[in-house]
Amino acid sequence: IQMTQSPSSLSASVGDSVTITCRASQTISRYLNWYQQKSGTAPKLLIYAASNLQSGVPSRFSGSASWTNFTLTISGLQPDDFATYYCQQSYKTYSFGQGTKLEIK
Amino acid sequence: EVQLEEFGGVVVQPGGSLRLSCAVSGFSFDEYAMHWVRQIPGKGLEWVSFISRESETIYYADSVKGRFTISRDNIRKSLYLQMTDLRPEDTALYYCAREMAVPGLPLDYWGQGSQVTVSS
Repeated sequence: IQMTQSPSSLSASVGDSVTITCRASQTISRYLNWYQQKSGTAPKLLIYAASNLQSGVPSRFSGSASWTNFTLTISGLQPDDFATYYCQQSYKTYSFGQGTKLEIK
Repeated sequence: EVQLEEFGGVVVQPGGSLRLSCAVSGFSFDEYAMHWVRQIPGKGLEWVSFISRESETIYYADSVKGRFTISRDNIRKSLYLQMTDLRPEDTALYYCAREMAVPGLPLDYWGQGSQVTVSS
């Protein structure tokens, strides 16, 4: 299953709201997870099963799903949010999207 | 505290072999499925392999199938990745990760990674 993530990079300011999209090449139900990765560190789980917030993750992060399209929304960007974000499907084996680098404008 | 720590990453020649280990602590290892995920420096994440709690189900990415073997020792609380016929494109940081038994089957804890470099 191919996961197409967009955009590949994004510039935004503190306080902005941003949306990252991940499209699956076939149905994956809600087997879609989102991760945040900062340079030099392991990925961190943000959202699981498309819209469930992982424990300890701020509520400004949210996820939604519509058929094969999935979105991660960050409402009110904080300085700590500038990082790279990945989607991952676990419906049929596993695969990651290409990543979205979120940079400060 | 849940901890995962990878060991065994080195520089190896093309065609060589290597075994990575992942030692875990802070949770009941035999209650969780486990994964290996790799990342070429500066690039994205690539899923490598999965093993179920009792090793009854194993999956591999097409890029490593037939060359890599995942295994686990629930007594020693360790995960392994035996890598053979290594290629330059296998050069990456290799992470072990724990799979949560919840909808979506996400990876909730990761190690810090072990660098494997395949070069002559």
